[in-house]
Amino acid sequence: QKEVEQNSGPLSVPEGAIASLNCTYSDRGSQSFFWYRQYSGKSPELIMFIYSNGDKEDGRFTAQLNKASQYVSLLIRDSQPSDSATYLCAAKANSGYALNFGKGTSLLVTP
Amino acid sequence: DAGVIQSPRHEVTEMGQEVTLRCKPISGHNSLFWYRQTMMRGLELLIYFNNNVPIDDSGMPEDRFSAKMPNASFSTLKIQPSEPRDSAVYFCASSAQPNTGELFFGEGSRLTVL
Repeated sequence: QKEVEQNSGPLSVPEGAIASLNCTYSDRGSQSFFWYRQYSGKSPELIMFIYSNGDKEDGRFTAQLNKASQYVSLLIRDSQPSDSATYLCAAKANSGYALNFGKGTSLLVTP
Repeated sequence: DAGVIQSPRHEVTEMGQEVTLRCKPISGHNSLFWYRQTMMRGLELLIYFNNNVPIDDSGMPEDRFSAKMPNASFSTLKIQPSEPRDSAVYFCASSAQPNTGELFFGEGSRLTVL
């Protein structure tokens, strides 16, 4: 079974702080990784993807990948109440198009 | 541009009834995915199509579930007969470049089977 594991949370951070969301995966064949954000009652939307070891920055978001440790993380700087949502980590193997999602981490940013 | 369109948004039915969920992908997207989301199991891939052809249906729970994509602009997911454990939100997603992992999700169909 190819697992993507996330702490369900909720993770509570004060406004302006850095939120750190973590994800581990079991399938070493996974080559690309994605972070989707899902607001309550809404559908998931892609916010970041990362293919290579290291960091990738996009605005307030930084994705980090360590393939040796099978670990992916998402950092959100200067967290805002509007960042409050569930963040889904997903992994994809090189072959095929299927994304394997974790169950998500709920983030609450308090004013 | 319109996004992925799903119908119905909400469906309440009784055990044993047939349920049909519908999806219109974004025009020009050649890959379509059906996912199911529950609190217990998260977001699970049921089946996906590429150029209207089913590529991987290994996530379809059992024979009660079937999916079709008769043309590039329409897909259905059918459950017959439905059971209470099928209650979930069913998402359809499409992609123009599925290798990138960028999926565009519809608003979902919330199914409740009594």
